[in-house]
Amino acid sequence: DIQMTQSPSTLSASVGDRVTITCRASQSIGTWLAWYQQKPGKAPKFLIYKASSLESGVPSRFSGSGSGTEFTLTISSLQPDDFASYYCQQYNSYWTFGQGTMVEIK
Amino acid sequence: QVQLVQSGAEVKKPGASVKVSCKASEYPFTNYDITWVRQATGQGLEWMGWMNPNSGNTGYAQKFQGRVTITRNTSISTTYMELSSLRSEDTAVYYCARVGPLRTTDYWGQGTLVTVSS
Repeated sequence: DIQMTQSPSTLSASVGDRVTITCRASQSIGTWLAWYQQKPGKAPKFLIYKASSLESGVPSRFSGSGSGTEFTLTISSLQPDDFASYYCQQYNSYWTFGQGTMVEIK
Repeated sequence: QVQLVQSGAEVKKPGASVKVSCKASEYPFTNYDITWVRQATGQGLEWMGWMNPNSGNTGYAQKFQGRVTITRNTSISTTYMELSSLRSEDTAVYYCARVGPLRTTDYWGQGTLVTVSS
């Protein structure tokens, strides 16, 4: 199985901050990477597919980049609704999720 | 509106099996794969496996090979995930999700809490 390593595991930030989350794959996955947001007690919400394509309805402050084994999710200006957990997920060979990053209020 | 409705919470003893159902509605059931993901309390998401409801083909994460079985009943648009030889570490919320045209999930079930306790 392909392993996904996400960092950091926790990120403390303030409203308006630019935040970046990194995801590394144990082998090349091209751009077959998605990002999800999850709030407590809720199912994950799909944000980005193909590493950098925004799902319809997702605010433009979210962006993704990368290919091969290194990927990033950036929130350009953190909003109150963005405090949540974020997961990367590869879908090049079956699926694997990263361990998650909790974005908390500083 | 597409819906995936899962069966209710379960409490099982170690060594037992559990079977969780996921009923799809408002879309052609056999046109989209279904995947299963679990999440232990306070932990991350863990992919378990998928099924193509049209062909019945399945694929499972290595960790769960031999313990998980995904089946379906096309006449009632329902997918099932059965996990056997349960242990306390299997206590988690189990989700089904539809795999959309972008090859990622677009709709999720509400989740089913499975508690394994003696």
